Amino acid sequence: GQNIDQPTEMTATEGAIVQINCTYQTSGFNGLFWYQQHAGEAPTFLSYNVLDGLEEKGRFSSFLSRSKGYSYLLLKELQMKDSASYLCAVRTPGGSYIPTFGRGTSLIVHP
Amino acid sequence: DADVTQTPRNRITKTGKRIMLECSQTKGHDRMYWYRQDPGLGLQLIYYSFDVKDINKGEISDGYSVSRQAQAKFSLSLESAIPNQTALYFCATSDRLAPTDEQFFGPGTRLTVL
Repeated sequence: GQNIDQPTEMTATEGAIVQINCTYQTSGFNGLFWYQQHAGEAPTFLSYNVLDGLEEKGRFSSFLSRSKGYSYLLLKELQMKDSASYLCAVRTPGGSYIPTFGRGTSLIVHP
Repeated sequence: DADVTQTPRNRITKTGKRIMLECSQTKGHDRMYWYRQDPGLGLQLIYYSFDVKDINKGEISDGYSVSRQAQAKFSLSLESAIPNQTALYFCATSDRLAPTDEQFFGPGTRLTVL
């Protein structure tokens, strides 16, 4: 089976940096996604990692270590609009290459 | 702008009623999915379709059925709705030829079964 763990909730201050972790135990691996979801809205794609290392995209970066079954999403220069849920999803060959989602991390950014 | 749309956006119904949720996309994607989202449980896959003639069950397909009427349309039916099917339902699409094959989600349908 697939097991994907993320913290349930995190808080941070506007302008700060926050790191949201995701650990996974899956049968096989074919990529890890991060999505952002504002309350009551659709998830939107943020990043994709399939090889070890850091992918940077503006204020957001995502890191992957396949040997450790570990990823993190790093958000810099936090803004109030970054308050949202962040979903980690892992794609595996055994799951028809469809991502399995973690339960998401609710990030609250306060002034 | 190429998009994924869902109708209705909100629906309140009673136990035992048949309900259909519809999804349309103008992205030209071949793959379509139906998910439900419950508070604290993340997204759970109900059904998916890799092309018009391909329909597959996801992890929680019991009590649901789907129809892929065309490449652009994928409908989800609840034959006899029950209260624990109250949830937020999302349709999603993806393009198998895209480098990452990331999913694009519709705005969601909030379904309440009384």
